[in-house]
Amino acid sequence: SQQGEEDPQALSIQEGENATMNCSYKTSINNLQWYRQNSGRGLVHLILIRSNEREKHSGRLRVTLDTSKKSSSLLITASRAADTASYFCATDGDGSGGSNYKLTFGKGTLLTVNP
Amino acid sequence: DAEITQSPRHKITETGRQVTLACHQTWNHNNMFWYRQDLGHGLRLIHYSYGVQDTNKGEVSDGYSVSRSNTEDLPLTLESAASSQTSVYFCASSAQGGQPQHFGDGTRLSIL
Repeated sequence: SQQGEEDPQALSIQEGENATMNCSYKTSINNLQWYRQNSGRGLVHLILIRSNEREKHSGRLRVTLDTSKKSSSLLITASRAADTASYFCATDGDGSGGSNYKLTFGKGTLLTVNP
Repeated sequence: DAEITQSPRHKITETGRQVTLACHQTWNHNNMFWYRQDLGHGLRLIHYSYGVQDTNKGEVSDGYSVSRSNTEDLPLTLESAASSQTSVYFCASSAQGGQPQHFGDGTRLSIL
């Protein structure tokens, strides 16, 4: 069963604009992670945010986590054509805040950045 | 550099045949995972292992098996391939459960 659900399913923007993707999940988590997948390639880990953190930055990426709403967002600032990819959230959690020792992935958001 | 490699990258086979997909990692990770990726379903966990001789069923394990005889390899076997198993298969590894995973580039399997 899917734990994380990304929204929107697809997003098309112009280079230089910001892109925001959202992820909602159902049960308490230990951490939430975001991954990128380029066409024909495997997933690449971008950032991990723990359940006791509210915001995290990595370069042009900003992730927020709202555990009361069971949701997270990934913001990519000043997007580039090379950011075109699918983005997935993944959660680790046993439903009571502990680790489940494996990840459950959402279905992903396809981001297209037009030059 | 450490890496995780999958082979073959593409395979076409017939229904009823046994198929084995290879996964080899040089991260020295204890945890290894197999997923399948299908349109509309995202990534679904097939089997996983937390160490040598340990294997566990995931969300969609029917028709698949794995074995872990060493740290580096977790081969995935389709005992009798079915058309419903046509998919892209990804192997991943992590140092600890629930922590970031490193993925291979996948095997695209077509069963005719």
